[in-house]
Amino acid sequence: GAGVSQSPRYKVAKRGQDVALRCDPISGHVSLFWYQQALGQGPEFLTYFQNEAQLDKSGLPSDRFFAERPEGSVSTLKIQRTQQEDSAVYLCASSRGQGEAFFGQGTRLTVV
Amino acid sequence: GENVEQHPSTLSVQEGDSAVIKCTYSDSASNYFPWYKQELGKRPQLIIDIRSNVGEKKDQRIAVTLNKTAKHFSLHITETQPEDSAVYFCAASRFGGATNKLIFGTGTLLAVQP
Repeated sequence: GAGVSQSPRYKVAKRGQDVALRCDPISGHVSLFWYQQALGQGPEFLTYFQNEAQLDKSGLPSDRFFAERPEGSVSTLKIQRTQQEDSAVYLCASSRGQGEAFFGQGTRLTVV
Repeated sequence: GENVEQHPSTLSVQEGDSAVIKCTYSDSASNYFPWYKQELGKRPQLIIDIRSNVGEKKDQRIAVTLNKTAKHFSLHITETQPEDSAVYFCAASRFGGATNKLIFGTGTLLAVQP
């Protein structure tokens, strides 16, 4: 596609509910990143894939967060048993592997 | 741990004036420094970047400078226009390492007054 696409754009979840956020990277981009952006803050790194391999998950805040990219293209970020502190915008970015990262529009998650 | 500090947090300029945003990074192995512009409710948009083997890069009205010794880099916008109003984020990464993750600064809200 022309750019990184994320869905849904908005998600409201009840506390304790599981959610799944999808990212479609730019075609051919081998690197994929997930970031979390709280209101008024810069994006914070969650996890990084190179093709299907998850090379860095050091930013995932707890074991309730899980990400996968099984075929090296589309990625899903799953959050189990959502808590209010999980409310944020979740951004996905992809890169050819030369450094430049292009972001999607994000998914705004609100946990009520 | 890795950290990027960004100043100022807010910046207001008159249309046509220049704007400068400064960042300092802690990881001396960082070698890639992008700048992103984010309008309210929109995605961060890459506007310019610089690699550690270059001291300065310019693209029309925007330029970035890098001082590796001091571990700081700056964004310069000349002839500012109202459409330059947005939040600007600097970032640093250790490109080519085990992870190419970006460490972001806290952002600068730039307001260009017409």
